[in-house]
Amino acid sequence: DVVMTQSPLSLPVTLGQPASISCRSSQSLVHSNGDIYLNWFQQRPGQSPRRLIYQVSNRDSGVPDRFTGTGSGTDFTLKISRVEAEDVGTYYCMQGTHWPRAFGQGTRLEIK
Amino acid sequence: EVQLVESGGGLVQPGGSLRLSCAASGFTFRSSAMNWVRHAPGRGLEWVATFSATTSNTYYANSVRGRFTISRDNSKNTLYLQMDSLRAEDTALYYCAKDWQLDYWGLGTLVTVSS
Repeated sequence: DVVMTQSPLSLPVTLGQPASISCRSSQSLVHSNGDIYLNWFQQRPGQSPRRLIYQVSNRDSGVPDRFTGTGSGTDFTLKISRVEAEDVGTYYCMQGTHWPRAFGQGTRLEIK
Repeated sequence: EVQLVESGGGLVQPGGSLRLSCAASGFTFRSSAMNWVRHAPGRGLEWVATFSATTSNTYYANSVRGRFTISRDNSKNTLYLQMDSLRAEDTALYYCAKDWQLDYWGLGTLVTVSS
C-alpha cells in the first residue's frame, strides 16, 4: 500500500509570512493514464475537510491564489505565500491514484 | 449547490452494527463515485470505502474490509455504509465525500463504539 508522509507535522507561522508543507509518497503517483492524483485538503477547527488543490496544482473554485501546489512523481509541496488568520487548521495530502487511498498524517498550521 | 447530509450515527456496543446514510443533492448522483472517510479523535483522516458510479466496483480500506459494506441507491440519491462487528477503534466522525477525488464533503455523523 502507498504511504503518504507529511512534514512538518506542526507549523507555527507568523501572519503575513510564507508557509510550506511537504508530502512524499512511497510510490510514484503517476496513474496509468498519465495523470497524477495528488490532492490537498484543509480542515479548519470544527469544520469538515475542504479540498484546496487537485491533481497536484489545480486550485478548487474559491481557493485564494496564495495557495499553490507543486510536485511530481513522489514529492509534492503545498505553499501558502502569505499566511492569514483564516488559514489556521490542519492540512492533509491524499493520493487518489492507487487503491487503497491514503492520506498523510496531517500538518497543523498555527499562528505564532 | 452540492449538499451531502450524513445520518445514522450513534452509540453502539462492541460487536454491534450500524448503518450510515448520506443524502445527496445538487449534482447528478448516479454519475459520481462516492466515498466514506472517517476522522477518529486525536487522529488524522482515514479513507474508508469508495463506490464507483458506472461499474459498481467497490473499494475498502484494509481496516474495514469484511466488516463494512458500501452501497448506493441511485433512485434515492443516497449512499450507505453498513458497519458490522464494530470495534472501539471504529469510533470516529464519518464523512461522505463526492467524486473519485473527494471534491465535496458533508458535515459528518458521529459513531461511538463503547460498552
